[in-house]
Amino acid sequence: AQTVTQSQPEMSVQEAETVTLSCTYDTSESDYYLFWYKQPPSRQMILVIRQEAYKQQNATENRFSVNFQKAAKSFSLKISDSQLGDAAMYFCAYRREYGNKLVFGAGTILRVKS
Amino acid sequence: DTEVTQTPKHLVMGMTNKKSLKCEQHMGHRAMYWYKQKAKKPPELMFVYSYEKLSINESVPSRFSPECPNSSLLNLHLHALQPEDSALYLCASSQLHPGTGDGYTFGSGTRLTVV
Repeated sequence: AQTVTQSQPEMSVQEAETVTLSCTYDTSESDYYLFWYKQPPSRQMILVIRQEAYKQQNATENRFSVNFQKAAKSFSLKISDSQLGDAAMYFCAYRREYGNKLVFGAGTILRVKS
Repeated sequence: DTEVTQTPKHLVMGMTNKKSLKCEQHMGHRAMYWYKQKAKKPPELMFVYSYEKLSINESVPSRFSPECPNSSLLNLHLHALQPEDSALYLCASSQLHPGTGDGYTFGSGTRLTVV
């Protein structure tokens, strides 16, 4: 079975600084997808960024980028120029290529200080 | 329309009540999901519907009964719940294969309190 591990229960960052959230996963599959979701206090789970395992190039979405290390099974999220609106719970998630089940990590609470 | 709409947003029910949660999407997604989420925990998968048929039931107690009347609607019928069932219930939808879509789209959830 696939597992996703987020080892940082909480992180803090100063506004305008950069922060990196860690995620590791375990799978025997070669093709899969990885996601970072953000869940602010408003409750809505919002997709931040998505990475296909077959792509070597790291995904980037504006201030959000990932460091995908397939051999190490590592998928960290870097947030640059942090903003107050980035404060939320962040979940790393895994999905098999032909599976419908999204496996979540335990989550990391990100606090942004002004 | 790129949203998943859930109603109601909040629900308080007694242990003998029957209620239903509703979820609707118009993105043409053929997979729909129910998740249960406790505070500061990740969502836990309950049910998956593919092409309006139940494809995954994660050993959920029978007091939760899902229904998918058509490709746009997903219901969760609740009966004789326990206080420990109080949680945020999230609905989501997706393309059936990730390569054709952008992952799951989640609704904003129903906050359920069982008294």
